[in-house]
Amino acid sequence: SQQGEEDPQALSIQEGENATMNCSYKTSINNLQWYRQNSGRGLVHLILIRSNEREKHSGRLRVTLDTSKKSSSLLITASRAADTASYFCATVLGTGANNLFFGTGTRLTVIP
Amino acid sequence: KAGVTQTPRYLIKTRGQQVTLSCSPISGHRSVSWYQQTPGQGLQFLFEYFSETQRNKGNFPGRFSGRQFSNSRSEMNVSTLELGDSALYLCASSASGLAATDTQYFGPGTRLTVL
Repeated sequence: SQQGEEDPQALSIQEGENATMNCSYKTSINNLQWYRQNSGRGLVHLILIRSNEREKHSGRLRVTLDTSKKSSSLLITASRAADTASYFCATVLGTGANNLFFGTGTRLTVIP
Repeated sequence: KAGVTQTPRYLIKTRGQQVTLSCSPISGHRSVSWYQQTPGQGLQFLFEYFSETQRNKGNFPGRFSGRQFSNSRSEMNVSTLELGDSALYLCASSASGLAATDTQYFGPGTRLTVL
């Protein structure tokens, strides 16, 4: 499968704590993207990291990419109850729209 | 700018029926992609339309089809519905459809239940 796999499948933390989610993939990538999905809703694009980048920040989000290990991590700092959602990594293998492959997702619950 | 809209939001059909789902992309976006999301298979790419032409297709049977109109609005059709077609169907729009560079903007989805 070309999908990424997220770890853990589910994560429950207290508000204010940091949340870390990991994504592993199997093939060389063009870039890797992280999305958030609130229950039963559409996906929201969070951040894109290119294969030649190692780290990227956006607000409370920090993404790292290790192409030698074929893995990425998403860190959400100072979590809030509103961060409760499923988080997906998506690997991009080529240029076309059919080259965006989503992982299995991590379900994050932030307890107020 | 208005976001991606999908109609209807919920549908209940019975086996053997057909269904049409609609997606209106963000103004100015010419690419519309469709995805099926199920608990077992996750998010799977169905097809992509760009300027009224199907440009990419995923690994789904011919019962799944789509089209795009000159205003970039897109419809997908599923004929002869099966129980396994129950899913959340998501559409995404982007300016050029190039996954390597373009951000995909997703709609809220249509929840299809097949009884």
